[in-house]
Amino acid sequence: GDSVTQMEGPVTLSEEAFLTINCTYTATGYPSLFWYVQYPGEGLQLLLKATKADDKGSNKGFEATYRKETTSFHLEKGSVQVSDSAVYFCALLNQAGTALIFGKGTTLSVSS
Amino acid sequence: GAVVSQHPSRVICKSGTSVKIECRSLDFQATTMFWYRQFPKQSLMLMATSNEGSKATYEQGVEKDKFLINHASLTLSTLTVTSAHPEDSSFYICSAKGLYNEQFFGPGTRLTVL
Repeated sequence: GDSVTQMEGPVTLSEEAFLTINCTYTATGYPSLFWYVQYPGEGLQLLLKATKADDKGSNKGFEATYRKETTSFHLEKGSVQVSDSAVYFCALLNQAGTALIFGKGTTLSVSS
Repeated sequence: GAVVSQHPSRVICKSGTSVKIECRSLDFQATTMFWYRQFPKQSLMLMATSNEGSKATYEQGVEKDKFLINHASLTLSTLTVTSAHPEDSSFYICSAKGLYNEQFFGPGTRLTVL
């Protein structure tokens, strides 16, 4: 079945460091792909998305490109801030559009 | 943008009581809403899909008599945890399906059963 695999955390970085969180997926067809962020004690917020191959989603300095050939959707940011500390979830929407399949989440901790 | 609210944000109850959690889409209509459960430091687990005017579809392993879902209107879905026990303590998150199949998440409800 459909699945999402994320790199295991926690990821610990200093402020202004470069961030990559790897995400690969297994799915039927070409699903829409998402990155969600969850701050402590809160629900999930959509960070960015891509709906077809080669699309690049971007928001708040974060980017991710839908790579069909490698079935990947890695999250990147050039210069992280302390306020980026959160849990990041990669997800795909199944082909029927009926369910979001989440990765296990990656905790990012940024120190000043 | 699309906003989804949940109420209450936090609830503590005694074992054996029932707790109702509301999920509302504030500025759009949602024929489909989803209920997730999240254990500490883990991912979200889909519990059920709630469709307005019809019965919810439960994921395998989720007790439908334990977790009652009602989607009575296009902006409101409720999850009732019946006869709650400590093992039901968790973070419950709802989402509402938008026009293009995207999901907008509520802020979550922290349930603690004593």
